[in-house]
Amino acid sequence: AQSVTQLDSQVPVFEEAPVELRCNYSSSVSVYLFWYVQYPNQGLQLLLKYLSGSTLVESINGFEAEFNKSQTSFHLRKPSVHISDTAEYFCAVTGGLGGKLTFGQGTILTVHP
Amino acid sequence: GAVVSQHPSRVICKSGTSVKIECRSLDFQATTMFWYRQFPKQSLMLMATSNEGSKATYEQGVEKDKFLINHASLTLSTLTVTSAHPEDSSFYICSAPNGRGREPYEQYFGPGTRLTVT
Repeated sequence: AQSVTQLDSQVPVFEEAPVELRCNYSSSVSVYLFWYVQYPNQGLQLLLKYLSGSTLVESINGFEAEFNKSQTSFHLRKPSVHISDTAEYFCAVTGGLGGKLTFGQGTILTVHP
Repeated sequence: GAVVSQHPSRVICKSGTSVKIECRSLDFQATTMFWYRQFPKQSLMLMATSNEGSKATYEQGVEKDKFLINHASLTLSTLTVTSAHPEDSSFYICSAPNGRGREPYEQYFGPGTRLTVT
């Protein structure tokens, strides 16, 4: 069984400030980790993923996440946020090929001007 | 990239009626699709795994007679909410893994269907 915990339900920040959204997981098997972003009334969009290899993964819009096996974490970071980053972010884990995802509770990131 | 569509995007129905939601993979084949529901300000909860050519696998606590799933082809899965009640009002999202190529673990999500039962 797998579980995902996102420690912060809401994170308010000012524009151009750095942000970290925390994600911890538990699993009895090797995992594959994802961050998804959801804008209001829309489906989920993949932000970035860790499958294997380098533990630091990056997205095209400046987000990055680091897989830390010893701490069972996959925190999402961005050094300077924009208003357009305002959305809900979900951390997810799966243990198998094309398998079902287990989601965290979500973190609402609100970027203020 | 892979695209998953859902139809309708929004539906309002009366209590006691049934509603069908379609999920299509537009440019790839999906032998498996997943159905999630999301309550306001909550996370996605997996309802069931839709399998092409066989019965769906339901998660614990999900009524299979109420949420009928049919995986009619390699590109289409449908979710029918039967005898809908107001408590079934939710955001329903489907996803499909694209097992081809170098990213077998990635799932592609539909845009979701907002169901409101009055």
